[in-house]
Amino acid sequence: GDKVKQSPSALSLQEGTNSALRCNFSIAATTVQWFLQNPRGSLINLFYLVPGTKENGRLKSAFDSKESYSTLHIRDAQLEDSGTYFCAAEANYNVLYFGSGTKLTVEP
Amino acid sequence: EAAVTQSPRSKVAVTGGKVTLSCHQTNNHDYMYWYRQDTGHGLRLIHYSYVADSTEKGDIPDGYKASRPSQENFSLILELASLSQTAVYFCASSDRGGDAETLYFGSGTRLTVL
Repeated sequence: GDKVKQSPSALSLQEGTNSALRCNFSIAATTVQWFLQNPRGSLINLFYLVPGTKENGRLKSAFDSKESYSTLHIRDAQLEDSGTYFCAAEANYNVLYFGSGTKLTVEP
Repeated sequence: EAAVTQSPRSKVAVTGGKVTLSCHQTNNHDYMYWYRQDTGHGLRLIHYSYVADSTEKGDIPDGYKASRPSQENFSLILELASLSQTAVYFCASSDRGGDAETLYFGSGTRLTVL
């Protein structure tokens, strides 16, 4: 089965609204990374997390290793936030397991 | 800013042919990775390397070889390309230790095997 499950698989937001994406892990994740794949296909790193939280502008992410999940909160969504968001978890040394992604569409 | 450059950007290959995908990084990172992405899915690790002249198997190494001739360069080799290897391939680099483990990706190579 999937080691990293992301939800939802797709999401549509109005500009200016807030939302949260989630990853659940069936592996003993030690670190988590979040990426945005933009419409051109480029992968941009957003966060690297050990258990705890990080914030960067309108984005905030949390990783709870005991409950095996991570979240990405988007505040005041903008058109340029559109793309596919991936989380990835590391359990075994040097191997990152990726989720299937959440496709986010921000509409005017 | 980290820089990972892949070539070619896209390639069409014939079944049974040999394909080499190249990756060059200017980040001075020890670690380099090759991932594949299938349409509508996440990335899966094929091979990685943490030092020149050494490579390690990732999650899905079958049908692929890798070569790390220098710290800057990491190649993925398909000796006998198959239809199932049609995908987008991403190279990435990172260092070890805390935030340095963040992956920096290249722009990808779209491979179509006919």
